[in-house]
Amino acid sequence: GNSVTQMEGPVTLSEEAFLTINCTYTATGYPSLFWYVQYPGEGLQLLLKATKADDKGSNKGFEATYRKETTSFHLEKGSVQVSDSAVYFCALSTGAAGNKLTFGGGTRVLVKP
Amino acid sequence: EAQVTQNPRYLITVTGKKLTVTCSQNMNHEYMSWYRQDPGLGLRQIYYSMNVEVTDKGDVPEGYKVSRKEKRNFPLILESPSPNQTSLYFCASSSHEPGGPEQYFGPGTRLTVT
Repeated sequence: GNSVTQMEGPVTLSEEAFLTINCTYTATGYPSLFWYVQYPGEGLQLLLKATKADDKGSNKGFEATYRKETTSFHLEKGSVQVSDSAVYFCALSTGAAGNKLTFGGGTRVLVKP
Repeated sequence: EAQVTQNPRYLITVTGKKLTVTCSQNMNHEYMSWYRQDPGLGLRQIYYSMNVEVTDKGDVPEGYKVSRKEKRNFPLILESPSPNQTSLYFCASSSHEPGGPEQYFGPGTRLTVT
């Protein structure tokens, strides 16, 4: 079956540091890949997505590139802010089961001033 | 404003007492799902619906029921809750377009079963 593995947290950084969260996946077919973010006490929001190999998703300074050869979708941001403190989820969808998302376990990121 | 609403946001109940968590979306989406979030496991799909009167099991359906009588509503029913159903629950909706459309999530319902 499909699965997503992402690095465990928590990840603690200072403001303006570089952030990388690794994500790898296993899937049949050609999935779409997503990063969702969950701020404290809130639901999940789509951060970025990529629907085919070599696509780069970007939003709010975050980027991730769909690498089919390494089955990866690592999230990066060059200079984090305190407001980026949240839990980040990598996910995939093949369009089956009502566009079901298969999630990784989530990575908590804490940015300190 | 496009949104998914859930009620209640917090619920504490006792084993065996039937409960319903409501979910409603205002985006005319065909697809709706329920997920549960547990530490270290991410979110797992409980049930989904691809249209009115069309529902199917997700990955962890045991102990849950759903119905889809109207396009906008997708309630989650726990007929006899047990402590292992203590979790954070999210409703989500999306359009039926191919290629991985965005899923819109509700704010979550934190359920505690004692």
